Amino acid sequence: QQQVKQSPQSLIVQKGGISIINCAYENTAFDYFPWYQQFPGKGPALLIAIRPDVSEKKEGRFTISFNKSAKQFSLHIMDSQPGDSATYFCAAGGTGGGNKLTFGTGTQLKVEL
Amino acid sequence: DTEVTQTPKHLVMGMTNKKSLKCEQHMGHRAMYWYKQKAKKPPELMFVYSYEKLSINESVPSRFSPECPNSSLLNLHLHALQPEDSALYLCASSQEKRRALTGELFFGEGSRLTVL
Repeated sequence: QQQVKQSPQSLIVQKGGISIINCAYENTAFDYFPWYQQFPGKGPALLIAIRPDVSEKKEGRFTISFNKSAKQFSLHIMDSQPGDSATYFCAAGGTGGGNKLTFGTGTQLKVEL
Repeated sequence: DTEVTQTPKHLVMGMTNKKSLKCEQHMGHRAMYWYKQKAKKPPELMFVYSYEKLSINESVPSRFSPECPNSSLLNLHLHALQPEDSALYLCASSQEKRRALTGELFFGEGSRLTVL
């Protein structure tokens, strides 16, 4: 019930392309869905987050698409850049998860020139 | 720069040593967390403190002992660790409302622990 499944495990995208990472959750009580970006040797940092009252949220080149009925959400990175190369974690939490986040397994993104 | 500060950044210790990891935040957050992260894995929750009281202990071995001296500080005391405890230990903080995560979890840069 608390699991968040993330795919793909790794992703290679050409510069300027679109990176897409998908997540699925089980607990219908989750109401907060953030994406974290982590560079080697650093702690995770919030990239963008969405709540289930909207189906899409866009911040610059980053967009979250949310499908409440399918219990799925995804991160789209438009015009991917080499500086976007990092590990991305989706997560779920909120009132249904108590005072903690449940993380997906992570996606290693590499953007090649 | 992160607003959650962790010290030390790197720590090497033997299995018989006692050491501590420290974390500090000045954002007025009342929830603070310890996570453990192995290479290429997501952070795993260890402990949550809510208003300086331990609210979640994810069945962590007693060789890890958390302490929250005040609302800005969080310590993790380490004793008799095993080599498999080598990992990146992340501290985080967040706002809290009715024991639910209502917003961003702010992570520190972590303390890289190696147990010999």
